[in-house]
Amino acid sequence: EAQVTQNPRYLITVTGKKLTVTCSQNMNHEYMSWYRQDPGLGLRQIYYSMNVEVTDKGDVPEGYKVSRKEKRNFPLILESPSPNQTSLYFCASSSSSGRAKNIQYFGAGTRLSVL
Amino acid sequence: GQSLEQPSEVTAVEGAIVQINCTYQTSGFYGLSWYQQHDGGAPTFLSYNALDGLEETGRFSSFLSRSDSYGYLLLQELQMKDSASYFCAGDTGGFKTIFGAGTRLFVKA
Repeated sequence: EAQVTQNPRYLITVTGKKLTVTCSQNMNHEYMSWYRQDPGLGLRQIYYSMNVEVTDKGDVPEGYKVSRKEKRNFPLILESPSPNQTSLYFCASSSSSGRAKNIQYFGAGTRLSVL
Repeated sequence: GQSLEQPSEVTAVEGAIVQINCTYQTSGFYGLSWYQQHDGGAPTFLSYNALDGLEETGRFSSFLSRSDSYGYLLLQELQMKDSASYFCAGDTGGFKTIFGAGTRLFVKA
C-alpha cells in the first residue's frame, strides 16, 4: 500500500529537549515536505526537499532542521523545542515530474505539545 | 507576497451544490490544487488546475482563471460525508507550496 508514515503520532515534551519526528514514504517520490497546521492558519510549509541531499526553506523554517540522506526518509528535527512549536505536523511527498508534482500524499500527522 | 484567501466557513444542505472560492495575490501561481481534510485526518488531494477552465472529477469540479487570480471548488449532490475542511494551494512553479487557511464546510440534513 502506498503511504507516508510519520512517527510518533503524539508527542508531549518539555522546552529545550531535542526531538526528531520521522517520515518515510514507499512511493519512490523525489519530493518531500514538512508542514505545520495551526487553527485559522492552514498548512504552512516548514522545509522541503527536491531529492537526496537537496533541501530548502519554506515559509516558517525557524527552529527546525531537516535532512535527506535517503530518498524514502525525511526527518524533522527540533533542536531546542519551544512552546510556540506546539502544533500539528504533517509530512508529505509527491513525484517531481510535471503535473504529479502537485499531487501531494500526506502522512497521518504528529501532534506535538511543548510544555 | 504570495497568499490565498478563502472563506472561513460555508454551510449547505444535503443534496445541494456549494462553491468554495479561492482568490490569490501573488506575482504568479502556475496552477491551483484543492485538498480535503476531515477532522482528525490528513489532507487528501482532490484536484489540480494547471490551465484556465473547469476540471471535473465525479461530484467535484474545480475552476481556475489565472487572469482573475481566482479559482473555486464546486461540490455537487452534497452528502453528509462532505463535511470537512477544504484547502486551496498555489503552485509556485518550484517545490514551494502555499496553502490557503481553509474553508470549513458544514453539510446539514
